[in-house]
Amino acid sequence: AQSVSQHNHHVILSEAASLELGCNYSYGGTVNLFWYVQYPGQHLQLLLKYFSGDPLVKGIKGFEAEFIKSKFSFNLRKPSVQWSDTAEYFCAVISGGYNKLIFGAGTRLAVHP
Amino acid sequence: DTEVTQTPKHLVMGMTNKKSLKCEQHMGHRAMYWYKQKAKKPPELMFVYSYEKLSINESVPSRFSPECPNSSLLNLHLHALQPEDSALYLCASSHLDRDRETQYFGPGTRLLVL
Repeated sequence: AQSVSQHNHHVILSEAASLELGCNYSYGGTVNLFWYVQYPGQHLQLLLKYFSGDPLVKGIKGFEAEFIKSKFSFNLRKPSVQWSDTAEYFCAVISGGYNKLIFGAGTRLAVHP
Repeated sequence: DTEVTQTPKHLVMGMTNKKSLKCEQHMGHRAMYWYKQKAKKPPELMFVYSYEKLSINESVPSRFSPECPNSSLLNLHLHALQPEDSALYLCASSHLDRDRETQYFGPGTRLLVL
């Protein structure tokens, strides 16, 4: 069965620190990859997505992610976090031409001023 | 516009009640989804509708009954729920074109079953 692993369950950073959240998936075929963010009390919002082409994708709010096929990874990065980035971040994958979105367990990010 | 709307925002119901959750989108998406999200957990897929037909049921108990009256609306009918069904219920929609298959989520209905 397909699965998505997020290595960090809780991350605490100070403002202006750099962020990298890990994401690995298990499916070996063609995949569509996503990062969603859920701010406290708000709904899931799409940060960025990868379907094909340039493996370095840029999303909203200064986030980017790199697809490394050989490592089955899609890590999320931001060079300088802000307090407003405090949220839960979910990596997700759709594979096999089947519109079933598989989520990772999520990473809870807390950014301190 | 990537808006999916859901009503109500909050719902409290007893175990003998019948209630319905509603979801609406006007993005021309032909796939609609119901997810259940427990606190501090990722969303879990419940149902998928493609072209108004149920295409995936993730072994959801029959006390949850989905309905897709048209391409813009999705309902989830609730009957005889249990306290453990308390959760955030999320609706999502997407195109069915593989290259544009991005799911957009609504704000959810927070359900409490007493």
